[in-house]
Amino acid sequence: NAGVTQTPKFRVLKTGQSMTLLCAQDMNHEYMYWYRQDPGMGLRLIHYSVGEGTTAKGEVPDGYNVSRLKKQNFLLGLESAAPSQTSVYFCASSYGGSGAQETQYFGPGTRLLVL
Amino acid sequence: GENVEQHPSTLSVQEGDSAVIKCTYSDSASNYFPWYKQELGKRPQLIIDIRSNVGEKKDQRIAVTLNKTAKHFSLHITETQPEDSAVYFCAASYTGWIGKLTFGTGTRLTIIP
Repeated sequence: NAGVTQTPKFRVLKTGQSMTLLCAQDMNHEYMYWYRQDPGMGLRLIHYSVGEGTTAKGEVPDGYNVSRLKKQNFLLGLESAAPSQTSVYFCASSYGGSGAQETQYFGPGTRLLVL
Repeated sequence: GENVEQHPSTLSVQEGDSAVIKCTYSDSASNYFPWYKQELGKRPQLIIDIRSNVGEKKDQRIAVTLNKTAKHFSLHITETQPEDSAVYFCAASYTGWIGKLTFGTGTRLTIIP
């Protein structure tokens, strides 16, 4: 049981390049989330998904797209990277369900540097 | 939307002493308040949480208190140890947000041996 895993662990991009971050969970969780973490700003929600085939915007969605084609995977895409997207990205998942207030389990993070 | 403020941003305590971190939230509908610990270079991990139907919860050396009227909640760590050194985040959410947590900006706790 690996929990929540993220690929890659570290990446350097040039401005304008694109990339996809992969999040995978083996806990059969319904809900999945993408956060970014910047110094002094805590964790901010980018996008989230409440089930396979669904996605929704979080607090800071601009410049990012997501897809949840399979229940266990949640992809975060950067179509045209900008230096402002330099950050540490965390994926998380939870059981979810109606009226859920469930523990979120985090992945190990992806450190992204945009030059 | 919800706004969570966390204080202090840094805290240093002598080993064996207690540490207290405080958070306030703005939305009176929030009813779930978790605390996460993040060690350097690691992922955030839940250490304790509280729901709005209780005022206090304890787990060994860690306790959380909630004051719904004042809209604030606090993390208390007693008999601090070097391994307690980390960044601690509070968060808040309510059912209507489908688990969407709003995090505080974090407190860097340093335990001085």
